[in-house]
Amino acid sequence: NAGVMQNPRHLVRRRGQEARLRCSPMKGHSHVYWYRQLPEEGLKFMVYLQKENIIDESGMPKERFSAEFPKEGPSILRIQQVVRGDSAAYFCASSLVHEQFFGPGTRLTVL
Amino acid sequence: DQQVKQNSPSLSVQEGRISILNCDYTNSMFDYFLWYKKYPAEGPTFLISISSIKDKNEDGRFTVFLNKSAKHLSLHIVPSQPGDSAVYFCAASREIQGAQKLVFGQGTRLTINP
Repeated sequence: NAGVMQNPRHLVRRRGQEARLRCSPMKGHSHVYWYRQLPEEGLKFMVYLQKENIIDESGMPKERFSAEFPKEGPSILRIQQVVRGDSAAYFCASSLVHEQFFGPGTRLTVL
Repeated sequence: DQQVKQNSPSLSVQEGRISILNCDYTNSMFDYFLWYKKYPAEGPTFLISISSIKDKNEDGRFTVFLNKSAKHLSLHIVPSQPGDSAVYFCAASREIQGAQKLVFGQGTRLTINP
């Protein structure tokens, strides 16, 4: 009974490159959430998706960031033209109802 | 606009004693509250939750108390063990369009001293 999986665990990009973060929810979970944690801060909501639908993206920056959860395959968080301020830990969570279960996170470092 | 606040960045407790972590919120529309534990370089681990219709929920060594009139919740850990040393986040949610979007506090670093 695998938990939420995220890959890669660590990602290093130079400014201007693209970052792709993947998340596979727990088996049977159809709700996927993405959160970002900046250093010394709590987690901040970015986007909520169900299969093939973005339900709430109110926490996502308007430019350069996008997310998808296709019918087949993992959910993808994509950051285009990364900047140093994008360096953070990005966590994915999945849920059935209330309790959200988190993956180990992807630590993005932008050089 | 910090809707969920953990005012103590750190807490140090002797092993075997009670640890009490506090959390305040401002939005009365929140209807579900959760506590997560986080180790460095790992994702948050769900600990315990409570619905807004209750004032207490207990699970083993962990008890969460909710005071709706004060918009305050607390997590009690008793007895505290060295493995409890971690960062603890409280989170609040309300259902919007089927989503339970979590709003997190800043976290409290708990250290259990042997």
